[in-house]
Amino acid sequence: DSGVTQTPKHLITATGQRVTLRCSPRSGDLSVYWYQQSLDQGLQFLIHYYNGEERAKGNILERFSAQQFPDLHSELNLSSLELGDSALYFCASTPRGGEKNTGELFFGEGSRLTVL
Amino acid sequence: AQKVTQAQTEISVVEKEDVTLDCVYETRDTTYYLFWYKQPPSGELVFLIRRNSFDEQNEISGRYSWNFQKSTSSFNFTITASQVVDSAVYFCALSEETSYDKVIFGPGTSLSVIP
Repeated sequence: DSGVTQTPKHLITATGQRVTLRCSPRSGDLSVYWYQQSLDQGLQFLIHYYNGEERAKGNILERFSAQQFPDLHSELNLSSLELGDSALYFCASTPRGGEKNTGELFFGEGSRLTVL
Repeated sequence: AQKVTQAQTEISVVEKEDVTLDCVYETRDTTYYLFWYKQPPSGELVFLIRRNSFDEQNEISGRYSWNFQKSTSSFNFTITASQVVDSAVYFCALSEETSYDKVIFGPGTSLSVIP
């Protein structure tokens, strides 16, 4: 158990809908990363938050947004869903962030999103 | 731009065989970190090792060993006397000094250990 909690574990929805994925980092970790894992794209970095602030963006679509709250949990919002958004979405946390993030990432079990 | 290549998409070995997973990376930074992660069938990604660019010493941890060679930009992973429990997808990853906020993963190598 990595200590990172993601909910829901599974989610099935329809095209055009909006969903919210939630992540609670390990106790004390300030950084939260979101990754998307699909069969054709592999593990794609989406976004990184450190202590409530956005630090880096990767291949995140404009239909997707994220935030990190004062209690350090994070939410990834996916809207206007398309079939191609079906994937496993991982959250990871690490104690460090920004210029000093040299540590390993601790991943949650992922949220499997299926868009029908 | 940073890039990680794992040319082996799938590997199958018979139990007790040794197997090496290749990882080649690209970076313009002189300071960077390399990682290996394991994703078993259960799906959760598990950290295995971190290596910084200034430490080229090979590392051994039980049946696992890692060979870091800056001259060839490679960070290969060897499993000795493989076991069925080693069956998983293994990812090599890279983070650079100039963009520590990003950890970029390779495409992964799926290892099947056959009893």
